[in-house]
Amino acid sequence: GQQVMQIPQYQHVQEGEDFTTYCNSSTTLSNIQWYKQRPGGHPVFLIQLVKSGEVKKQKRLTFQFGEAKENSSLHITATQTTDVGTYFCAGLKGGGSNYKLTFGKGTLLTVNP
Amino acid sequence: NAGVMQNPRHLVRRRGQEARLRCSPMKGHSHVYWYRQLPEEGLKFMVYLQKENIIDESGMPKERFSAEFPKEGPSILRIQQVVRGDSAAYFCASSSGPTQPQHFGDGTRLSIL
Repeated sequence: GQQVMQIPQYQHVQEGEDFTTYCNSSTTLSNIQWYKQRPGGHPVFLIQLVKSGEVKKQKRLTFQFGEAKENSSLHITATQTTDVGTYFCAGLKGGGSNYKLTFGKGTLLTVNP
Repeated sequence: NAGVMQNPRHLVRRRGQEARLRCSPMKGHSHVYWYRQLPEEGLKFMVYLQKENIIDESGMPKERFSAEFPKEGPSILRIQQVVRGDSAAYFCASSSGPTQPQHFGDGTRLSIL
């Protein structure tokens, strides 16, 4: 079945440092979605990438979708303590009315103030 | 503008009892998904439903677990004869379509004594 691998599993940074998490799929995806889950909270949708090579920015966050639509990355510039949480990528694959979203295991980001 | 509503937030059951978890999707959403999450782990897909139909239950254990999304009322995830290993956070999400982002509820934390 479809697999979505995410690395690293954990990342600890000093406030102000940059952070990147990478996501790789075993198959070509229809789209990729990114979610953030704060400790004790629920996943919150951040963004969706659909096109090959797409790049989207949200303030300090930059999301990329690979040319082959099999990998993606999330880069945070100058981390802040509010960035703490687990970042999940989720790859969508399928067609018609039968799609499946597969989540990676996430990257837990901790930020030292 | 209510989001996805899950109840109860916390549920304690003794081994052998039944657990019923409820989920009301966001207004206008007819696609519902259930996930299970263990501490510091990713989201494991369980089942995908539309009104009165199970679309994909490939992540559901074959025994003791069932889900429904009736024409009227919330979606229900039912676990019969619970065991200690069923202790987890169960998240419900909804979307407006199979390729659209998912919006998550606050989850139900199930504890088995």
